[in-house]
Amino acid sequence: DGGITQSPKYLFRKEGQNVTLSCEQNLNHDAMYWYRQDPGQGLRLIYYSQIVNDFQKGDIAEGYSVSREKKESFPLTVTSAQKNPTAFYLCASSMGQNQPQHFGDGTRLSIL
Amino acid sequence: SQQGEEDPQALSIQEGENATMNCSYKTSINNLQWYRQNSGRGLVHLILIRSNEREKHSGRLRVTLDTSKKSSSLLITASRAADTASYFCATDASAGNMLTFGGGTRLMVKP
Repeated sequence: DGGITQSPKYLFRKEGQNVTLSCEQNLNHDAMYWYRQDPGQGLRLIYYSQIVNDFQKGDIAEGYSVSREKKESFPLTVTSAQKNPTAFYLCASSMGQNQPQHFGDGTRLSIL
Repeated sequence: SQQGEEDPQALSIQEGENATMNCSYKTSINNLQWYRQNSGRGLVHLILIRSNEREKHSGRLRVTLDTSKKSSSLLITASRAADTASYFCATDASAGNMLTFGGGTRLMVKP
């Protein structure tokens, strides 16, 4: 079955620690996206990548970093510079223009 | 900033009734998409309507788009308890399929 896999489902971060969220897709999609969702809110775009080895900042990129070394993978690092990282993080992919996005089941990040 | 804003923020209805959710946006768009999210899960795509389309149907779902008023509506007919979820509209106004999401409508369907 094709889809997007996010791991882990739950993640805890200590003060001053960087943590990395995994996102893997086997849909052969070129474009991948990371969103942040706060309780009772919509999604906000953190980073996106249209093609391997290229990515762009979204609306709230500060305190986050990404890489896109393989078409299938788009990991997100939440750095210690992100002072309010507690949120639900969603990864998505799409075939391109005028196509829907397919989402993973998210990673919930909390602060210890 | 959020391009799309849903109305109402919350809606509670009985099973069998119809549910209507509205979305307003601010700029010209390529398309508008509706997604569903069950609690604690990822989003599931429901319908994509392009800027040159006025209405689309999918099963019990009907979406309309009025680009002159910059608004869209999602109608769920003959609702079921399993339709209980949050529903989001998202607009694509970019060259790169980047979506801007509204705050969502939380729908509760009581059995």
